[in-house]
Formats: sequence, structure tokens, C-alpha cells
Amino acid sequence: DQQVKQNSPSLSVQEGRISILNCDYTNSMFDYFLWYKKYPAEGPTFLISISSIKDKNEDGRFTVFLNKSAKHLSLHIVPSQPGDSAVYFCAASGSGAGSYQLTFGKGTKLSVIP
Amino acid sequence: DSGVTQTPKHLITATGQRVTLRCSPRSGDLSVYWYQQSLDQGLQFLIQYYNGEERAKGNILERFSAQQFPDLHSELNLSSLELGDSALYFCASSPSGGDTEAFFGQGTRLTVV
Repeated sequence: DQQVKQNSPSLSVQEGRISILNCDYTNSMFDYFLWYKKYPAEGPTFLISISSIKDKNEDGRFTVFLNKSAKHLSLHIVPSQPGDSAVYFCAASGSGAGSYQLTFGKGTKLSVIP
Repeated sequence: DSGVTQTPKHLITATGQRVTLRCSPRSGDLSVYWYQQSLDQGLQFLIQYYNGEERAKGNILERFSAQQFPDLHSELNLSSLELGDSALYFCASSPSGGDTEAFFGQGTRLTVV
């Protein structure tokens, strides 16, 4: 049973446009959400996070939105750049789980076309 | 560079064999996490150690075990290997046991033939 779902395996966007990556979760105990970016042959790199007490967090070109009632979060990248091409993983954690282990989605491969 | 070092980068071994993957966490980090990424799968949490003690267990097989040493480096031991164990194994570290942002190493690609 997948607790974190990224339903789009891939996404193509023109350079300069907005990229929107989506993520859904099912576990109500999750209270912290993160996005990681992964290039080939490298480990995942932390990008941005959001606590469940917020509905939005911004960091430069990256904004994460959280809709708790819908158990949905999204990552917006504006403007998209070719260097953003990577696999993006959504992850969630919850203190109720007894530790802060991360539950990951399967990832969305973003391709930004010059 | 995340500061987390994993060795070896690649490993090819035969079914039934045993291997050891090594992880050196970032300087000062007390927690080490192990994740497995199989083909077309997200990262699956295996196990967490905090300051030498097991903190949490995920979907880790009984054939797999891990430990964290006094110098805080960690090893993941995989035994009686099967073809399905072929995967990328990532180690991550964080400053304490209650952090949510973990820093990942480059991973060890294990191929079982």
C-alpha cells in the first residue's frame, strides 16, 4: 500500500514556463513533507520542505503548497530551467511513526526543454 | 557533495553470497538511515541507527542486518543474496534522531547475477 503517491512518472516543460509536480498521501499521521531532487548517478538532494501547520513555503524559484484536507501537495518551479531536469521525489514523515523516517513516492522525471 | 560517503559505488556478486555496504555520515551527524531503491520503485526505508543504537526498522528483510559503530560509520550486511536484491542502496545521515531533512550519499549499486 503506497502511502505517498506521485501519479505522473514524467513531465515535460518548456524553459521559462512553470513546472508543477504533484504528490498525494494517505497517512493522516504525516506532518512534515519534503521534496528531493535526484540527478543520475547521484543521491537525492533536499530541495524544500513544509510543515503541516503551513500551507505554503517558498524558496527562490521553488514553492511547495500543502492542502491537508485533500492530502495533496505540489511543487511549483518558476521559471523552469534546463538544469532543473531531474527526478523529483516527494517524501513525508510523521512523529507518530516513532521516528523521522521518510516515506517516499516513486518520483516524477522532469524534463525542461530549452 | 552532501558529505555522506558510501563505498563501494558498484558491486557485482553472485546469488547466495554476502556483501557489506559501508557508510560514513556527515561530520557530527548521529543518525544514519539506509534506503533501498529497486527498479521503478521509490526509496524504501530499511533501518535507522542513532548514536550506535537501532532507532527504527522498515521493510528490511531478515537476511539483511546493519550496525552503527562507535565512530558513527554504519554498515549494511546483505546475505544469501537473491536476484531481486539488485538495487541502489542509499545511506543518509542527519544531526539527531528527530530530524526530518536527511542528507544522502551517492549510493551503492548492487547487481546480483
